[in-house]
Amino acid sequence: AQSVTQLGSHVSVSEGALVLLRCNYSSSVPPYLFWYVQYPNQGLQLLLKYTTGATLVKGINGFEAEFKKSETSFHLTKPSAHMSDAAEYFCAVRPVNTGGFKTIFGAGTRLFVKA
Amino acid sequence: DAGVIQSPRHEVTEMGQEVTLRCKPISGHDYLFWYRQTMMRGLELLIYFNNNVPIDDSGMPEDRFSAKMPNASFSTLKIQPSEPRDSAVYFCASSRGQGNPEQYFGPGTRLTVT
Repeated sequence: AQSVTQLGSHVSVSEGALVLLRCNYSSSVPPYLFWYVQYPNQGLQLLLKYTTGATLVKGINGFEAEFKKSETSFHLTKPSAHMSDAAEYFCAVRPVNTGGFKTIFGAGTRLFVKA
Repeated sequence: DAGVIQSPRHEVTEMGQEVTLRCKPISGHDYLFWYRQTMMRGLELLIYFNNNVPIDDSGMPEDRFSAKMPNASFSTLKIQPSEPRDSAVYFCASSRGQGNPEQYFGPGTRLTVT
């Protein structure tokens, strides 16, 4: 069965510092991969996705993620954190050819940005 | 595009009462999902539909929960009778289809059962 592991339920960075949120998945074949962001009292919003092709994917708000098949990872990065990046981030996977359309979400990582 | 619309945004009810949550997906999206989010259990998929047909309801907690999608632009999630442990934020999401696997989430309904 597919699963998603987000390392660290809480991450704290200083404004202007590098943001690195870790995500590992288990799957027999590369799945579709996603990062979503959730601001307080809002629904989840897609940051970026990997379906096929280039393994470095760029998303909104300056975020990017790299799909590494050998490491079964899809870590999210941003070179310079901004106060507005404080939110909860969810990594998610969806099987490409099996399992229907069910998307598996990680437990989430809450990002704190210090001034 | 109006996005996914959910109503009500907040619902407070007493234990034993019936609760109905509503969702309007994005026009043209073939898939609709209902999720529940709590601090303890995170984001849980309850049920999803494809072209108005329920495909997987294995996440529905028990018979007190039911969901319908009478047409492509409307879905309901009903809890009868409600219990305090049902208190959570319920999200509806929609998706276009195979070539576009990402989901678009509504703002959620915060349910409190006292």
